[in-house]
Amino acid sequence: DAGVTQSPTHLIKTRGQQVTLRCSPKSGHDTVSWYQQALGQGPQFIFQYYEEEERQRGNFPDRFSGHQFPNYSSELNVNALLLGDSALYLCASTSLRDLFTAGNTIYFGEGSWLTVV
Amino acid sequence: QKEVEQNSGPLSVPEGAIASLNCTYSDRVSQSFFWYRQYSGKSPELIMSIYSNGDKEDGRFTAQLNKASQYVSLLIRDSQPSDSATYLCAVKSGNTGKLIFGQGTTLQVKP
Repeated sequence: DAGVTQSPTHLIKTRGQQVTLRCSPKSGHDTVSWYQQALGQGPQFIFQYYEEEERQRGNFPDRFSGHQFPNYSSELNVNALLLGDSALYLCASTSLRDLFTAGNTIYFGEGSWLTVV
Repeated sequence: QKEVEQNSGPLSVPEGAIASLNCTYSDRVSQSFFWYRQYSGKSPELIMSIYSNGDKEDGRFTAQLNKASQYVSLLIRDSQPSDSATYLCAVKSGNTGKLIFGQGTTLQVKP
């Protein structure tokens, strides 16, 4: 049973460019969240998708957008990249029925390391 | 006030000692509490979760939760150099279901 998979694992972009990161959730999961972890910081919640819609959003600008597909996989898009967008981007999956219950139901992928130069 | 606060450290302990990591949170609706270990260059790895007041033990790790004081801690007994990592405290809100992380505490275990 595959866990949460993310791609690419590492990438380098130039300021002003756009990037797309991809995530496939764990089998049986329908809810995907994205987190940004800057160097020396804890992960920060970007947004959450289920039923192909953005349901919750953290304090991130509109340059950050996403999408969820019918197979529950998800993409994170960042436009007009800034140096400060350099970070580890983590995808987390869970099932909607478990989202608001106590318990260890959130699984993280290995992350995508983005460097903006 | 940050929603989840941790001392960034570094916390340095000798091999074999007990390492004590602390975390406070502000949202009283929080229902689930997690400790993640993160090695340099890697993604966070869940090592402990706790949902009820009191202690929860798993091998060398003990998580402690006090909801009245809004405080959660992690004890690592018989610390090993391989425990050297950043430890992230995370809280799951009962209202939103999202995880809120502290900034992490760096632990150094010296041989």
